[in-house]
Amino acid sequence: DQQVKQNSPSLSVQEGRISILNCDYTNSMFDYFLWYKKYPAEGPTFLISISSIKDKNEDGRFTVFLNKSAKHLSLHIVPSQPGDSAVYFCAAITQGGSEKLVFGKGTKLTVNP
Amino acid sequence: DAGVTQSPTHLIKTRGQHVTLRCSPISGHKSVSWYQQVLGQGPQFIFQYYEKEERGRGNFPDRFSARQFPNYSSELNVNALLLGDSALYLCASSPFPGSYNSPLHFGNGTRLTVT
Repeated sequence: DQQVKQNSPSLSVQEGRISILNCDYTNSMFDYFLWYKKYPAEGPTFLISISSIKDKNEDGRFTVFLNKSAKHLSLHIVPSQPGDSAVYFCAAITQGGSEKLVFGKGTKLTVNP
Repeated sequence: DAGVTQSPTHLIKTRGQHVTLRCSPISGHKSVSWYQQVLGQGPQFIFQYYEKEERGRGNFPDRFSARQFPNYSSELNVNALLLGDSALYLCASSPFPGSYNSPLHFGNGTRLTVT
């Protein structure tokens, strides 16, 4: 039973345009959400996070939106750059427990020059 | 500052053998977690250790075990290896459990291939 779902295995966008990566979750106990970026042969690196008490968090070119009622979050990258090409993982966690991050399968983003 | 370091980077083992993977957390980080990433999937939680005690365990068989040492480094052990254990094993550290303002920092992983 996949609790965090990233239904798009891949996404291709042009440099300078917006990239929108989507994530859905089923467990209503999740109260903190994170996005990680992973380059080949490297471990995931933290990108941005959002608490369930917020609906938006922004950090430079990256914005995460959370719709709790729909159990949906999205990551917006504006403007997209070729260096953003990587696999993006959505992850969720329930506070108060162990640091068990539940990850989606990832979306491979390709930004074309 | 050095990040999370894992050794070895690559490993090839035969079915039925045993393997030990090692992890050194970021200096000052006392919590270490292990994740398994099978090709095409996201990382899956195996264990979390804090102050040498197990704080969480994922849905993995008893063939998987881990421990944390006084210097906060950690080992992951897998016995009786199966072909399905072939994966990238990731170690992550944080200052303490639930440090959501300082999310998990991952190492580059150990690529285990079981033949």
